[in-house]
Amino acid sequence: QSALTQPRSVSGSPGQSVTISCTGTSSDVGGYNYVSWYQQHPGKAPKVMIYDVGKRPSGVPDRFSGSKSGNTASLTISGLQAEDEADYYCCSYAGRSWVFGGGTKLTVL
Amino acid sequence: EVQLVESGGGLVQPGGSLRLSCAASGFSFSRFSMNWVRQAPGKGLEWVSYISGSSSSIYYADSVKGRFAISRDNAKNSLYLQMNSLRAEDTAVYYCARDPSTLLSKYFFDYWGQGTLVTVSS
Repeated sequence: QSALTQPRSVSGSPGQSVTISCTGTSSDVGGYNYVSWYQQHPGKAPKVMIYDVGKRPSGVPDRFSGSKSGNTASLTISGLQAEDEADYYCCSYAGRSWVFGGGTKLTVL
Repeated sequence: EVQLVESGGGLVQPGGSLRLSCAASGFSFSRFSMNWVRQAPGKGLEWVSYISGSSSSIYYADSVKGRFAISRDNAKNSLYLQMNSLRAEDTAVYYCARDPSTLLSKYFFDYWGQGTLVTVSS
């Protein structure tokens, strides 16, 4: 149950696109199409932005998209907006357990 | 409206015990699997435990196995986490989180409570 690997921080200007990577193993990310992504603003509970690798819950803007290749999943945010500044966590089902990434702080310049 | 409200957090000494509760409303509680997820101060998220709607399946993270026990009372729409032999490293905000629990949508966390802080310190 080792944490998934995410970059500690990424940044972009309003209107630009950023991609956050999430690397695991064949026992988690690579073994299941159950990768989800969560947005967390300071002092708030996490909010699901992507599930099943690339599906968006209702209400989440289509600027958020997800993908996976092998043991690495990615979250892409296009058309960055100020309110996108937050921490982002990936999560993967790992067979009777779940594992999160260490989190990535997104700064909108 | 789906609501999850945690309670029971507080300050406890190392080696002590605490029982967290999560009151659910706005959905048919017994139909959904539930989880506990924690976040140490300034740190990332860590999955702690899972329980299916009927309590027939229960899983734990290695870090809490043998010390924590998850349970639920569907008649009371409540989820619990009994935490024993607490350690300083268990200090965290504990969230209860719902799994959508459908054939086409599962194994993620679609609703979260606001969290309850557990501090383990002497």
